[in-house]
Amino acid sequence: DADVTQTPRNRITKTGKRIMLECSQTKGHDRMYWYRQDPGLGLRLIYYSFDVKDINKGEISDGYSVSRQAQAKFSLSLESAIPNQTALYFCATGAGVNEQFFGPGTRLTVL
Amino acid sequence: AQSVTQLDSQVPVFEEAPVELRCNYSSSVSVYLFWYVQYPNQGLQLLLKYLSGSTLVKGINGFEAEFNKSQTSFHLRKPSVHISDTAEYFCAVSVNFNKFYFGSGTKLNVKP
Repeated sequence: DADVTQTPRNRITKTGKRIMLECSQTKGHDRMYWYRQDPGLGLRLIYYSFDVKDINKGEISDGYSVSRQAQAKFSLSLESAIPNQTALYFCATGAGVNEQFFGPGTRLTVL
Repeated sequence: AQSVTQLDSQVPVFEEAPVELRCNYSSSVSVYLFWYVQYPNQGLQLLLKYLSGSTLVKGINGFEAEFNKSQTSFHLRKPSVHISDTAEYFCAVSVNFNKFYFGSGTKLNVKP
């Protein structure tokens, strides 16, 4: 089983709809992250969390919100999706003096 | 703040040829450096990392990278590429492992 899982893997939705992307991890890591990937822009940080009670905005948090339901779960919400939020979204985890570990990604299309 | 520049968005190369993917960073403090690979329709996987010690770092799949502090670079190299190396490669830096900053990526296209 994968250490970092994301659901759904693909989602097509319409402008104005509320969308939730979910991330779960079995690595026991305290740090969790949400990134979006756009062609030519690399990965940009949306939100990050160092534990259940610690949530921080990244560089592009406008239009997004998150919830850290448990150490192992970190959800990303788009309250009212818009077309320029069409992207590939990645969840990642980290702990200690280690690199980040990534989920397989969620491809979101907003029509 | 930290930033990462990958000047080459795409690098075409023939199979069995050597390749170098360039990465430069900007930081006022010491950083830790990483290279990740992303195969089509997959997440990012760590290729190698520099934390301290020898400036030449060896990673998986025959890749290596050299940390050059004076030039603030961490270029990735492989002496002989395979078709299976076709992927996108990302350079990243971190100061304290709490936040990571990624470059815009380099697509390596290995041709037969």
